[in-house]
Amino acid sequence: GENVEQHPSTLSVQEGDSAVIKCTYSDSASNYFPWYKQELGKRPQLIIDIRSNVGEKKDQRIAVTLNKTAKHFSLHITETQPEDSAVYFCAAKSSSYKLIFGSGTRLLVRP
Amino acid sequence: GAVVSQHPSWVICKSGTSVKIECRSLDFQATTMFWYRQFPKQSLMLMATSNEGSKATYEQGVEKDKFLINHASLTLSTLTVTSAHPEDSSFYICSASQGAQGELFFGEGSRLTVL
Repeated sequence: GENVEQHPSTLSVQEGDSAVIKCTYSDSASNYFPWYKQELGKRPQLIIDIRSNVGEKKDQRIAVTLNKTAKHFSLHITETQPEDSAVYFCAAKSSSYKLIFGSGTRLLVRP
Repeated sequence: GAVVSQHPSWVICKSGTSVKIECRSLDFQATTMFWYRQFPKQSLMLMATSNEGSKATYEQGVEKDKFLINHASLTLSTLTVTSAHPEDSSFYICSASQGAQGELFFGEGSRLTVL
């Protein structure tokens, strides 16, 4: 079935350093890959997304790369700040239009 | 972006009772809505796909007779947890998109606690 794997489960970085979170997906027909930031008790907030016709997308300190051949996509956060601390989820929209989430990464940015 | 509203935001009920959660798309029509469940420190797990005017499609392992979904209009989907038990305590989140290819918008979530 459709599956999205996400690594690492936890990530601790020093303020100002970069953070990278990686995901793989199983459905080769997936064509939409969003990334969400979720704070405790809140709904997921979309921070960036990429479609399958693009290999990379950047928005200020956040970038996402997509390798369709390998079915990998990654989130890159540069110049991390303490307010970036949260749980991040990758997701993939399958050929059946369902959005399947990865297991999540708890990011801690140390001041 | 589009707004999806969910109600109630939190609810406490006794074991054996039923609880209804509403999900509304406020400024767009949503032919399809999705219901997710999130246990503490876990990911969002898709429970079912709610289609306006037809029966919901449930994911494997989700009991359709326990989690009743009704999508009677293009702006409202409801999830009823029937005969709730403590293990049903969770964060339930709905989502909707403007068409199959559109961005998914999430409701605020509903935290259910079953005593």
